[in-house]
Amino acid sequence: AQRVTQPEKLLSVFKGAPVELKCNYSYSGSPELFWYVQYSRQRLQLLLRHISRESIKGFTADLNKGETSFHLKKPFAQEEDSAMYYCALSWQGGSEKLVFGKGTKLTVNP
Amino acid sequence: EPEVTQTPSHQVTQMGQEVILRCVPISNHLYFYWYRQILGQKVEFLVSFYNNEISEKSEIFDDQFSVERPDGSNFTLKIRSTKLEDSAMYFCASGGLAANTGELFFGEGSRLTVL
Repeated sequence: AQRVTQPEKLLSVFKGAPVELKCNYSYSGSPELFWYVQYSRQRLQLLLRHISRESIKGFTADLNKGETSFHLKKPFAQEEDSAMYYCALSWQGGSEKLVFGKGTKLTVNP
Repeated sequence: EPEVTQTPSHQVTQMGQEVILRCVPISNHLYFYWYRQILGQKVEFLVSFYNNEISEKSEIFDDQFSVERPDGSNFTLKIRSTKLEDSAMYFCASGGLAANTGELFFGEGSRLTVL
């Protein structure tokens, strides 16, 4: 079964520090991986997806098929990055549904 | 920018009562979903809907649950006889302008409290 694991429920860093939110997945085929973000009192929204290889708000994520990981990184965290971050997986033939990890709450302290 | 809208934002109901949660997906989207998030837990897939029928449903989506797209714009989730454990945030999402773009657009959620 498809599964997404985010081992850290909470992550706290200081402004300007690097941040890495971990995500591992379980799927034997070719997955599509995403990071969704939910800022306080806002809706879930797409942050980035692995197929586009883009950097959004300074965040990047590289799909590592050998380690089945898709960690989210930012070299210098900002206070406005504080939010819930969800790693998610979809796959061809999966009716485009997303399977989410449990989420990591990132707090960036001043 | 078009958004997915959900009503009500919060509903309190008695156990055993029927509840209908409403969603207006983005108009040219093809796939529609309901997810739920029990407090402190992860966002869980309930059901996906495509071409006017359920394309996939999870184990959670038992006979108490049903979905409908009655008029080409609304997408509803009905819980026939609510249980305490149905208390959760219910998110509607839509997506799929083209084949498997993968991006889903979520509503703000409807918080259901079952007493």
